[in-house]
Amino acid sequence: KAGVTQTPRYLIKTRGQQVTLSCSPISGHRSVSWYQQTPGQGLQFLFEYFSETQRNKGNFPGRFSGRQFSNSRSEMNVSTLELGDSALYLCASRQTGDEAFFGQGTRLTVV
Amino acid sequence: QKEVEQNSGPLSVPEGAIASLNCTYSDRGSQSFFWYRQYSGKSPELIMFIYSNGDKEDGRFTAQLNKASQYVSLLIRDSQPSDSATYLCALRGGGFKTIFGAGTRLFVKA
Repeated sequence: KAGVTQTPRYLIKTRGQQVTLSCSPISGHRSVSWYQQTPGQGLQFLFEYFSETQRNKGNFPGRFSGRQFSNSRSEMNVSTLELGDSALYLCASRQTGDEAFFGQGTRLTVV
Repeated sequence: QKEVEQNSGPLSVPEGAIASLNCTYSDRGSQSFFWYRQYSGKSPELIMFIYSNGDKEDGRFTAQLNKASQYVSLLIRDSQPSDSATYLCALRGGGFKTIFGAGTRLFVKA
């Protein structure tokens, strides 16, 4: 059974640009959540989607957005990138329980 | 007060010893509790979850939950150098949001 797949694995962008990250959950999992991980702040919750609906959102500016498609795949978008957005972005999927399984992450570097 | 508090460590234990990792939380409505292991440069990996007060054992790992005192702990018996990693405590309550602690770095000395 394939795990959570995140693409791309690595990304370098320039300040002011925008970026879209993709997450394909484990087959049969309908819930996808996104996290930002930095050395100083640890794992910070961005948002969670279930059946194409955002169920909750963390304390991030409106530049961070996401969506989920009918096949449960999810994307997150960051507009007007800032240096501080450099981080590891992790996606996690859930089936019916609360246990979350993480993808390998996308390492975003903003220069 | 942070929602989930963990000692950042590093916690250093000799090979074969018991490693004890602790976590306290502030939201009494939290219902589900998790321990994740994260190796350097890798993503978090779920190793234990616990929903009810008491102990839950899985191989060398035991999770302990005390909702009245608002703490959850993880014991690793017969610690191995391969257990050296950062251990993240997480909880989930209402609101479909999982909150993570900052993690405790564990170092097992061979």
